[in-house]
Amino acid sequence: GAGVSQSPRYKVAKRGQDVALRCDPISGHVSLFWYQQALGQGPEFLTYFQNEAQLDKSGLPSDRFFAERPEGSVSTLKIQRTQQEDSAVYLCASSLAQGGLMNTEAFFGQGTRLTVV
Amino acid sequence: AQKITQTQPGMFVQEKEAVTLDCTYDTSDQSYGLFWYKQPSSGEMIFLIYQGSYDEQNATEGRYSLNFQKARKSANLVISASQLGDSAMYFCAMREGKNSGGSNYKLTFGKGTLLTVNP
Repeated sequence: GAGVSQSPRYKVAKRGQDVALRCDPISGHVSLFWYQQALGQGPEFLTYFQNEAQLDKSGLPSDRFFAERPEGSVSTLKIQRTQQEDSAVYLCASSLAQGGLMNTEAFFGQGTRLTVV
Repeated sequence: AQKITQTQPGMFVQEKEAVTLDCTYDTSDQSYGLFWYKQPSSGEMIFLIYQGSYDEQNATEGRYSLNFQKARKSANLVISASQLGDSAMYFCAMREGKNSGGSNYKLTFGKGTLLTVNP
């Protein structure tokens, strides 16, 4: 597809369950970002990949959150032992250039809405 | 302190009129970039317009323009000739330069403004 694709679009998890969220970036995009968007808030940065290297994971809220991009394309955000406060929309974004360029436009997917019950 | 402040939780505008969405920012960097994104109910963040801190001209993209007042640290989005399809959440975001001591790739977002265009 032409844009960033995320799956699933919606996920309901029981508290304590593990979940995996997938992101297919635009082909050839070097940079990949994950953001978390709580209800009524703006997105907040979770982690950044340049190709397969995870250069920044400072936004991951706890060690239950893990992200990978093993071949420098598809990325997976995994949340272990989900808790109610993990309920949010998880947005993936990709950009063509390395992240250091100031005007680098990031293209976002439609997000995965995670609800933990 | 909030790095991006959007003081208008909601705004209403009549179709075909212009509307200004406010955004103020806080940074000590000299080099930074300001972005506006639109988020319709489908959830996708759509890039609208970019303004660099060293750009002397206000950015324009079609019906969108950015009223950049550097001394006031404001970057308001102006939408001219509003259309019903403009109804959405609008987010202001900033990317700071390397001198901030932090990353210069991640975007920091405001809380957004919900724009409703009335027919």
